[in-house]
Amino acid sequence: GAVVSQHPSRVICKSGTSVKIECRSLDFQATTMFWYRQFPKKSLMLMATSNEGSKATYEQGVEKDKFLINHASLTLSTLTVTSAHPEDSSFYICSARDLSRGSTDTQYFGPGTRLTVL
Amino acid sequence: GENVEQHPSTLSVQEGDSAVIKCTYSDSASNYFPWYKQELGKRPQLIIDIRSNVGEKKDQRIAVTLNKTAKHFSLHITETQPEDSAVYFCVPGFQKLVFGTGTRLLVSP
Repeated sequence: GAVVSQHPSRVICKSGTSVKIECRSLDFQATTMFWYRQFPKKSLMLMATSNEGSKATYEQGVEKDKFLINHASLTLSTLTVTSAHPEDSSFYICSARDLSRGSTDTQYFGPGTRLTVL
Repeated sequence: GENVEQHPSTLSVQEGDSAVIKCTYSDSASNYFPWYKQELGKRPQLIIDIRSNVGEKKDQRIAVTLNKTAKHFSLHITETQPEDSAVYFCVPGFQKLVFGTGTRLLVSP
């Protein structure tokens, strides 16, 4: 149980294009999902909190117009990197909480999406 | 915002030795204290967690101790094995989790 998937696992795109990453909770409903970014040999940095049916909450320094987040259902959140540039190349990971398990804190992570912008 | 630091940043031990990683945090509102293990290119995986009303928790070779007054908690791994080699993150939180700076553990056979 508590499985989170991401699609795609890897994506290479040209500078200036937009890329959409999907995060799905496969066997539970997630009212809240989180998006992180991880550069090589660095820690995970929280980008935003995605709330089902409402606007995402972005962390300080994260451009909301560049990283568009949509949480249209209880099992799906999407992150769109708009007008991607090489400096956006990173490992993007989502996570979700499974409230049905009684713990409101434990987060389950997706496998990550490696974005390379040429 | 929350400032979370881990020490050491790198830890090399021989198989069978014990390893201890310490995490200090700044947000006194934090009430949930998990440790995650991340292997290269993989997702972080929860290995143990503790809540603020408990001082210590153990699960086989892994234990976590919490000192909420001093705002630090530690990960203890006994009888280390090569497969314990990974990066470990402390991730204290209240409503959201903030990842620590990470500790690279290398267990040599």
